[in-house]
Amino acid sequence: DGGITQSPKYLFRKEGQNVTLSCEQNLNHDAMYWYRQDPGQGLRLIYYSQIVNDFQKGDIAEGYSVSREKKESFPLTVTSAQKNPTAFYLCASSIVAGGWNEQFFGPGTRLTVL
Amino acid sequence: AQSVTQLDSQVPVFEEAPVELRCNYSSSVSVYLFWYVQYPNQGLQLLLKYLSGSTLVESINGFEAEFNKSQTSFHLRKPSVHISDTAEYFCAASLGGYSTLTFGKGTMLLVSP
Repeated sequence: DGGITQSPKYLFRKEGQNVTLSCEQNLNHDAMYWYRQDPGQGLRLIYYSQIVNDFQKGDIAEGYSVSREKKESFPLTVTSAQKNPTAFYLCASSIVAGGWNEQFFGPGTRLTVL
Repeated sequence: AQSVTQLDSQVPVFEEAPVELRCNYSSSVSVYLFWYVQYPNQGLQLLLKYLSGSTLVESINGFEAEFNKSQTSFHLRKPSVHISDTAEYFCAASLGGYSTLTFGKGTMLLVSP
């Protein structure tokens, strides 16, 4: 079955540690996205990538980094510079970048920083 | 800047009653609109979308939404809700040719017996 996988589902880290969240898709989509979800805040865009080896900052990129070395993979690193990293992180993809395209979402990773 | 407003953070309703979840967006010449649904601890699933053409769009599970350009709204409606419709609903928009989506803050639909 085609889809988006995110791992792990739950992640715990100590304050000051970097952590990398995995996102893989087998939909052959060009565009991939990372969102952060906090209660009552909706989804906020962290980074997106329209094509391999290219990515752009979203609305809340500070304290995060990404890479796009393969079409299927778009890992997100939450660095120690992110002041409040505890949140639910969602990865999504679409056939190509463009506001008219449906985005398909993974199941999410809940990150808790202790 | 793009903005999407969902005025109601929670909407409680009894089973089999009608419901409307409100969504307004900042005015733009170009607009694409979406409703997504999220069940607890899961990702989002597309419910329906407006890209062009008929202003009334429908989903397979009985929801519908109407694009109203003059009121810059895209409200979601269902004539009779089920317990299983309990979830969080997000309105999203791409405005003015942006290639990314802006999401509203979500509305939690709580259906009780």
